[in-house]
Amino acid sequence: DAGVIQSPRHEVTEMGQEVTLRCKPISGHDYLFWYRQTMMRGLELLIYFNNNVPIDDSGMPEDRFSAKMPNASFSTLKIQPSEPRDSAVYFCASSLGSLTDTQYFGPGTRLTVL
Amino acid sequence: GENVEQHPSTLSVQEGDSAVIKCTYSDSASNYFPWYKQELGKRPQLIIDIRSNVGEKKDQRIAVTLNKTAKHFSLHITETQPEDSAVYFCAASDGNNRLAFGKGNQVVVIP
Repeated sequence: DAGVIQSPRHEVTEMGQEVTLRCKPISGHDYLFWYRQTMMRGLELLIYFNNNVPIDDSGMPEDRFSAKMPNASFSTLKIQPSEPRDSAVYFCASSLGSLTDTQYFGPGTRLTVL
Repeated sequence: GENVEQHPSTLSVQEGDSAVIKCTYSDSASNYFPWYKQELGKRPQLIIDIRSNVGEKKDQRIAVTLNKTAKHFSLHITETQPEDSAVYFCAASDGNNRLAFGKGNQVVVIP
């Protein structure tokens, strides 16, 4: 298996633009997580899905952030409109059958909002 | 919610010496405690984990110890090597089994 795949790896955009980050979890994994990593706040859980259903989005910072998982092999995290404070590395991770199974992280998307 | 803190924030050790990183957590319901290693510019990767029914776990040069009474757990790296230089994150599950991560410890192994 190729592991968790994320795209794009780098994204530079201007304030106010829409940004869409993409993730393909490991095949057969039931859980998918979106994290944001910054120097100030560390690694923060934004939202997670179980069997494509959003379970907990309490970490999503604002209504500007939304996430979907239309099928078991694809998820998106969208920011609209983007702001400079959204600049961070966004990681997607997946785990097999429970929240406390090993989480496998993707390579991350480094987002810069100018 | 769960609050996880790591100390020290940066640790420098001579190659061959041991490194110890300590994490404290706040939720007494926590029962799963993983450690992740993140090399510069790379993704976090699980290196070892421990569950609340065990006090210690070892895997070659790394070990984790858990003290549930004091609500802390520690990562021990023996015979450190340059490739151990990285940021290490601890995490603890909260009452809903979600992971809360610490802010990371930068470990620098000096050759």
